[in-house]
Amino acid sequence: GENVEQHPSTLSVQEGDSAVIKCTYSDSASNYFPWYKQELGKGPQLIIDIRSNVGEKKDQRIAVTLNKTAKHFSLHITETQPEDSAVYFCAAISGGSYIPTFGRGTSLIVHP
Amino acid sequence: EAGVAQSPRYKIIEKRQSVAFWCNPISGHATLYWYQQILGQGPKLLIQFQNNGVVDDSQLPKDRFSAERLKGVDSTLKIQPAKLEDSAVYLCASSPGPIQETQYFGPGTRLLVL
Repeated sequence: GENVEQHPSTLSVQEGDSAVIKCTYSDSASNYFPWYKQELGKGPQLIIDIRSNVGEKKDQRIAVTLNKTAKHFSLHITETQPEDSAVYFCAAISGGSYIPTFGRGTSLIVHP
Repeated sequence: EAGVAQSPRYKIIEKRQSVAFWCNPISGHATLYWYQQILGQGPKLLIQFQNNGVVDDSQLPKDRFSAERLKGVDSTLKIQPAKLEDSAVYLCASSPGPIQETQYFGPGTRLLVL
């Protein structure tokens, strides 16, 4: 089955800095890669996603890049703000099984 | 638009007891998912429904876990008997269709098994 590795597990930055979270996947059939933000006591919320026919996607301060050859994708957050503090999860969904596999999460802390 | 509703929000039981969780997806969403999220880990899919049929339940521990989605709307997830390792947050999510579409998560039910 699919295996998704996510790094780092914890990321601490100063407000205004950039943050980068990286994920690798194992199943070459995976073709949809969403990123979720989970705040304390809440369910995950989709913040951005990318499909395998696209190399990069941007939405304001958030961007995601995908390298299909290397089987890795990354989340980039620029100009971080304290409200960006949360746990971020990457996921990979195979076009064959349609089962979503999540990474273990990255706890992002943005210091004011 | 109302989000995914789950109840209860918290539950504490002793091992070997049974427990049930309820989920009401977003109106009109055909696909419903149940996830188990152990502290410090990402959500793990337990079962996926398309309307009232099971799409995948390969990761559901069927000796103790069961789930149903009556009439293709609400769903219940049951654990009987519970074990200590079942302590986790149980998340319900729904999406309009079955494949690669945005999943909308509920707030989850936090289960503690003593």
